[in-house]
Amino acid sequence: AQTVTQSQPEMSVQEAETVTLSCTYDTSENNYYLFWYKQPPSRQMILVIRQEAYKQQNATENRFSVNFQKAAKSFSLKISDSQLGDTAMYFCAFRRTSGGGADGLTFGKGTHLIIQP
Amino acid sequence: NAGVTQTPKFQVLKTGQSMTLQCAQDMNHEYMSWYRQDPGMGLRLIHYSVGAGITDQGEVPNGYNVSRSTTEDFPLRLLSAAPSQTSVYFCASSRVEHEQYFGPGTRLTVT
Repeated sequence: AQTVTQSQPEMSVQEAETVTLSCTYDTSENNYYLFWYKQPPSRQMILVIRQEAYKQQNATENRFSVNFQKAAKSFSLKISDSQLGDTAMYFCAFRRTSGGGADGLTFGKGTHLIIQP
Repeated sequence: NAGVTQTPKFQVLKTGQSMTLQCAQDMNHEYMSWYRQDPGMGLRLIHYSVGAGITDQGEVPNGYNVSRSTTEDFPLRLLSAAPSQTSVYFCASSRVEHEQYFGPGTRLTVT
């Protein structure tokens, strides 16, 4: 079984600053996907970024980038030039590819990110 | 495309009542799943389906039933509601192995 750990229950930064959210995971799988999801107060789960484990290059999506360290089983999310709209819960999630990923996503408990004006 | 839709958005039940949470997707995804979200717990998998006619249990299946008669629909049934089932429920769909797309969620309260 996989586990995902987010060690920062809450973080607060000023608008325009850069913030990094931490995520570690434990698995015996070699092939898998990692994701960051954002959940604003509207409750909708929004995919922020994905990383395939076989890719060495870190994924980026505009202001969002990851630092993927496969050997260390670490997957942190960096948000640059943070905006008020980035205020949300952020969840790190794991999905293995063996078995077709049928057991779905394993989530961490989330980090509540607050962007202060 | 509507993506993943869920009804109702809110529901209050009395202990022992039954109900069905509806989920539909229009992306022709093979894989569909149900999660529950409790405070401080993240999302946990209840049941999933890899295609029409195929379902299986996730991490927390007790008290819930599912069926998948079509690719589009994946309803979740609460057989006899209990206060421990008070939660927010999310339906999700995906191509197998890939990122999942979530519905807007249903907030269920059992009194």
